[in-house]
Amino acid sequence: QKEVEQDPGPLSVPEGAIVSLNCTYSNSAFQYFMWYRQYSRKGPELLMYTYSSGNKEDGRFTAQVDKSSKYISLFIRDSQPSDSATYLCAMSEAGTDKLIFGTGTRLQVFP
Amino acid sequence: GAGVSQSPSNKVTEKGKDVELRCDPISGHTALYWYRQSLGQGLEFLIYFQGNSAPDKSGLPSDRFSAERTGGSVSTLTIQRTQQEDSAVYLCASSRQKNTGELFFGEGSRLTVL
Repeated sequence: QKEVEQDPGPLSVPEGAIVSLNCTYSNSAFQYFMWYRQYSRKGPELLMYTYSSGNKEDGRFTAQVDKSSKYISLFIRDSQPSDSATYLCAMSEAGTDKLIFGTGTRLQVFP
Repeated sequence: GAGVSQSPSNKVTEKGKDVELRCDPISGHTALYWYRQSLGQGLEFLIYFQGNSAPDKSGLPSDRFSAERTGGSVSTLTIQRTQQEDSAVYLCASSRQKNTGELFFGEGSRLTVL
């Protein structure tokens, strides 16, 4: 079993839809949770960063962390074709900067 | 440019040959990471350098893989006696501060072993 599980998709939605992306994990020591976005043939870029449990909102993006269920989510409201990319969750333990990534979910938003 | 620079962007080699991949991090970033990305496998951690501390090599898949970072800046990932399963995109990232989760990635070096 991988430390971090993520459905690879692809997920195809119409423009304007609400998108929900999820990851589960097994390591209860994870304290920092991130979402990265990766466009084709590019390196990943940080989208959202949260510490411990709770919600964080940034524009159309909301990140949720439920440590009791070992489950994290990223919601995208009013999705746009420019959101079409692969979304990777990542997490790390306190005291280390080593990030463990999920496999990524490929999202396609069609006009 | 001000981003992480990797070279070569593409490398095709024959099985059994050695390859070197180079990473030039963002100036002033003390931490440097190497990850490997294979189709359907996500990003696999390889090695992590932080300042003058001993590197975390726990992700290197075999003793054919090694990396060094000279002068706290440029890093080279070396793969000896390449195998077909080494074919992947090798991504380098750097970061400025601890515990921010913000890694700045290069565009990767795509390695194909024939």
